[in-house]
Amino acid sequence: DAKTTQPPSMDCAEGRAANLPCNHSTISGNEYVYWYRQIHSQGPQYIIHGLKNNETNEMASLIITEDRKSSTLILPHATLRDTAVYYCIVRPGFPYNTNAGKSTFGDGTTLTVKP
Amino acid sequence: DVKVTQSSRYLVKRTGEKVFLECVQDMDHENMFWYRQDPGLGLRLIYFSYDVKMKEKGDIPEGYSVSREKKERFSLILESASTNQTSMYLCASSRRDVSETQYFGPGTRLLVL
Repeated sequence: DAKTTQPPSMDCAEGRAANLPCNHSTISGNEYVYWYRQIHSQGPQYIIHGLKNNETNEMASLIITEDRKSSTLILPHATLRDTAVYYCIVRPGFPYNTNAGKSTFGDGTTLTVKP
Repeated sequence: DVKVTQSSRYLVKRTGEKVFLECVQDMDHENMFWYRQDPGLGLRLIYFSYDVKMKEKGDIPEGYSVSREKKERFSLILESASTNQTSMYLCASSRRDVSETQYFGPGTRLLVL
């Protein structure tokens, strides 16, 4: 699976948009980009995923560059409860994911939302 | 909403004990996974299962076994717990579709003394 690079930490003011970048320059054509977050001592929470197009759901927006080598997760109005570690992962979907589940959760970005 | 539950949030066991961690999902997902999470090492896959009675080794299966007798339930077994198995254990499930988005349980923090 392709590796990802994320900044180790970011701060954001409450109520402002939080933009979390991720580089995945070795991504291949059948690999999805997934974003999860983990609040201290809890299991990772799925946020959003995409293949080529930008995606939006009730939690966030995902912007994927045209060459797919990087992406940005956008939390439009960050709250204190959005303080967490955010993980960007790339891996193939079925049926290409012969190692299903072998997602590599690296160190992620620690986002701190400040009042 | 997908719900993945784990039998315990916190567990304390002694070296040599047999430990059972249970995971249940309520969304009829085909795939289930067990990970452990340790500081600086990220999530590491222990075992996964594509279907009932099927299991596949992940990256670090040594010292663990699994059981999947029913579709909704996936158990992780530590045959003889050791102190280096002190960790946060996370269960996840996913539907077998194109994206196979994984949904995680709350985790079990295991301390082996």
